[in-house]
Amino acid sequence: ELKVEQNPLFLSMQEGKNYTIYCNYSTTSDRLYWYRQDPGKSLESLFVLLSNGAVKQEGRLMASLDTKARLSTLHITAAVHDLSATYFCAVEDWNSGGSNYKLTFGKGTLLTVNP
Amino acid sequence: EAGVAQSPRYKIIEKRQSVAFWCNPISGHATLYWYQQILGQGPKLLIQFQNNGVVDDSQLPKDRFSAERLKGVDSTLKIQPAKLEDSAVYLCASSLVPGYRGPGNIQYFGAGTRLSVL
Repeated sequence: ELKVEQNPLFLSMQEGKNYTIYCNYSTTSDRLYWYRQDPGKSLESLFVLLSNGAVKQEGRLMASLDTKARLSTLHITAAVHDLSATYFCAVEDWNSGGSNYKLTFGKGTLLTVNP
Repeated sequence: EAGVAQSPRYKIIEKRQSVAFWCNPISGHATLYWYQQILGQGPKLLIQFQNNGVVDDSQLPKDRFSAERLKGVDSTLKIQPAKLEDSAVYLCASSLVPGYRGPGNIQYFGAGTRLSVL
């Protein structure tokens, strides 16, 4: 069974600082997704990483994927309050019937950016 | 383009009662997913449909949960009877191309139904 672990689970940081969220997974997969969830809202797709070495950037967020290490990182540069949310990584794998793909999510990282 | 629609947004019931949730996916999306998200955790897949067929229901508690996808479009998820531990947000998601490993099979999520079982 695929396991997806994120750390840290809680992150409180000051505006202007940099930090990295880590996502480790237990089986071979070369496709990983990052989602953002605001309180009481649904999940919004941020990045799709489709191969080893993939790097995607949007504004102050940059995501990367190392399939050999089974590790993805989400790096935050010069954080601002608007980035406060919960961030989930999700790894794509075959479903139990072997007929389709499914996502297994990590527990999420609750990010709070303080002024 | 319209997103994934879910209703109701909130539901409060007593244990042993029944409840149903409805989902309308994005037009043209062949794959539909129901997830359970317990407070403080990531979404957990309950069931996955491709068109109107089930492709994965391995994590669906089939003694109390059931789901169907009518004509390969709308879907309903039912819980009967509900237990206290079923309190969670139930998310519906859809994706465009089932199992296609091209540019990424992004899942688009609805706003969810928050269920409280008392």
